[in-house]
Amino acid sequence: SYELTQPLSMSVALGQTASITCGGDNIAGKNVHWYQQKPGQAPVLVIYRDNSRPSGIPERFSGSSSGNTATLSISRAQAGDEADYFCQVWDSITLSVIFGGGTKLTVL
Amino acid sequence: QVTLRESGPALVNPTQTLTLTCSFSGFALSTYGMCVSWIRQPPGKALEWVALIDWEDDKYYNTSLKTRLTIFKDTSKNQVVLTMTNMDPVDTATYYCARGDSNYVFDSWGQGTLVTVSS
Repeated sequence: SYELTQPLSMSVALGQTASITCGGDNIAGKNVHWYQQKPGQAPVLVIYRDNSRPSGIPERFSGSSSGNTATLSISRAQAGDEADYFCQVWDSITLSVIFGGGTKLTVL
Repeated sequence: QVTLRESGPALVNPTQTLTLTCSFSGFALSTYGMCVSWIRQPPGKALEWVALIDWEDDKYYNTSLKTRLTIFKDTSKNQVVLTMTNMDPVDTATYYCARGDSNYVFDSWGQGTLVTVSS
């Protein structure tokens, strides 16, 4: 079955850029979506189809995908960006939605 | 404005069947490319996809849960219902329903409902 691998946690200094990775076999061949989840809240879509931003999501959020790694980048990190981030794809082989294990982002 | 709301029991006994209802507004599940999915999250853990139903009434299930799941829609009521049989304490989680499109990206989520499995 298809798997997505994310680092369990990472930290970024206030105002710097955070890059959260999502690894999967030839992930560049799939549409990757990213969700932000703050404690006690439902997930919120922040990037879809690798690098598109929904309305209302700041330009500081961007995405990319190449080879076996997709990346969510958050520039000029703010305290309000502290959250769990999940990547997600659709696996057309098993006809399943796949989520990564999530990355807890801490802003120092 | 798209809204989704999950409803169902907060507490379920082991071996019982769980029935959850997702009531939505602001879109029609009969619209081309539209889907509704159930996703769960055990306390402190990652998101886990459970099931999905699309505008053509095609149904997809998490392989590891498939034998226990049924998903169906009532288009006239704007509802999607999930049943999960033989509940176990490991099924304790917040259950979310979410709207998706033909790219299986979920742009709107309900607030979630916590289901605890315990005797």
